[in-house]
Amino acid sequence: NAGVTQTPKFQVLKTGQSMTLQCAQDMNHEYMSWYRQDPGMGLRLIHYSVGAGITDQGEVPNGYNVSRSTTEDFPLRLLSAAPSQTSVYFCASRERGGLRNEQYFGPGTRLTVT
Amino acid sequence: AQKITQTQPGMFVQEKEAVTLDCTYDTSDQSYGLFWYKQPSSGEMIFLIYQGSYDEQNATEGRYSLNFQKARKSANLVISASQLGDSAMYFCAMRENAGGTSYGKLTFGQGTILTVHP
Repeated sequence: NAGVTQTPKFQVLKTGQSMTLQCAQDMNHEYMSWYRQDPGMGLRLIHYSVGAGITDQGEVPNGYNVSRSTTEDFPLRLLSAAPSQTSVYFCASRERGGLRNEQYFGPGTRLTVT
Repeated sequence: AQKITQTQPGMFVQEKEAVTLDCTYDTSDQSYGLFWYKQPSSGEMIFLIYQGSYDEQNATEGRYSLNFQKARKSANLVISASQLGDSAMYFCAMRENAGGTSYGKLTFGQGTILTVHP
C-alpha cells in the first residue's frame, strides 16, 4: 500500500493564480481531510469528506474548494491564491468508525504564494 | 477558546533522560480521544499514542506513555530514555465524539519542539 499520497511536494504560485493539490489514498478509507500547518498554530482543518460525494467545511475553508468523486481521491483547489495561503498542506484519511481509529497523513505539500 | 493547549513552545532534554510534554484540552463531550503525533524535520506526521476518555489505564507504547488526568483535562506525553532521534515537533490532538459524528476531525495544539542533547 502506498498509503496517502500528495502531489506536488513543493509549489510556488503568484497571487491570483489557481491550482489543485492532489491527494489519493489506497486504503479504502471513507473519511478524508485537508489541513494546513502554520508556525505556532498547529494543524487546522480546511475541509473534510465522509464519503464519495459528501464534503463539508472545517475551521478555515475560505479560499479553498474540494470535491470527492471517488473514495480514493480528494483534491483541494485554490481558486485565487493569496500570500496568506502560504503554508504546508496535509491530506489525511481514516477508516469510518470509532474515536480510536488512527488518522493517516500524507507527506505534505509546501506551498508558497508570492 | 483553544480546545488544545500546549504551553511549552520548546523543551530540552539530555539523552537517556525522561521528558514530559504538556497538553491540556477543553471539551464538554464525555466521549473523546486524545492523540500525540511526532513531526521530525522531514515533515511527516507520525502517530505515537492514543488515549480514550473512557480508558481506565494510561496508554503506553514502548518508550511513550500518556499521563492522562481526566479531571484536570490534561494528557501529557512522557518520553522515557530520550534518544537523539526524538528531536522533533510534537503535537497533541483531540477528536470529539460530537454526538456520534466523529468524522475524523482532529483539533491540534500549537506543538512543542523537543531538542535532545547528547
